[in-house]
Amino acid sequence: DIQMTQSPSTLSASVGDRVTITCRASQNTDSGLAWYQQKPGKAPKLLIYKASTLESGVPPRFSGSGSGTEFTLTINSLQPDDFATYYCQLYNNYSLWTFGQGTKVEIK
Amino acid sequence: EVQLVESGGGLVQPGRSLRLSCTASGFTFDDYAMHWVRQGPGKGLEWVSGISWNSGRKAYADSARGRFTISRDNAKNSLYLQMDSLRGGDTAFYYCVKSGGPGMAARPDFWGPGTLVTVSS
Repeated sequence: DIQMTQSPSTLSASVGDRVTITCRASQNTDSGLAWYQQKPGKAPKLLIYKASTLESGVPPRFSGSGSGTEFTLTINSLQPDDFATYYCQLYNNYSLWTFGQGTKVEIK
Repeated sequence: EVQLVESGGGLVQPGRSLRLSCTASGFTFDDYAMHWVRQGPGKGLEWVSGISWNSGRKAYADSARGRFTISRDNAKNSLYLQMDSLRGGDTAFYYCVKSGGPGMAARPDFWGPGTLVTVSS
């Protein structure tokens, strides 16, 4: 099975900062990659799919990139509402759905 | 408006069974694959099981295989998860998740609010 390694596990940042979260797959795969935001007590919210396609209604300060084994979520000009936990997810027909371990974005 | 509402969670003793349901509305249910994803207390997200639009394909995580059974009733716009031989490690919020297409490899695009399952004596 493909494993997803997400880093960092915790990130301290300030409002206005640019932050980057990375997910690495254990093997090269032609898979879809999604990014989610989750706040305490809430279901995850889809931000990006197909590695770089912004879900409808998601602010453009969120962007995704990458292919193969390395994928990145970037938040430009971090806003107070962005402090949350972020997950990557691989989806394909072989290993189906695989999640990263999560990155908590905290206020510095 | 797409809606997914999970039900059936609760407190159950180890070794017992529980059946989760997910009622869907706001979209053509039998056009889409569906999944269950869980999240233990303070833990990350874990895919549990998925089912294609016509139940032709079902898949399970290693942690669920042999104990959990996924099913759907397209006439009732409903998804189910039968959980047997429950263990403490199954304690989690269980989310019903809609795929963006009929096959299980399609991207996820909508999550229900979740239902809590607590396995404890």
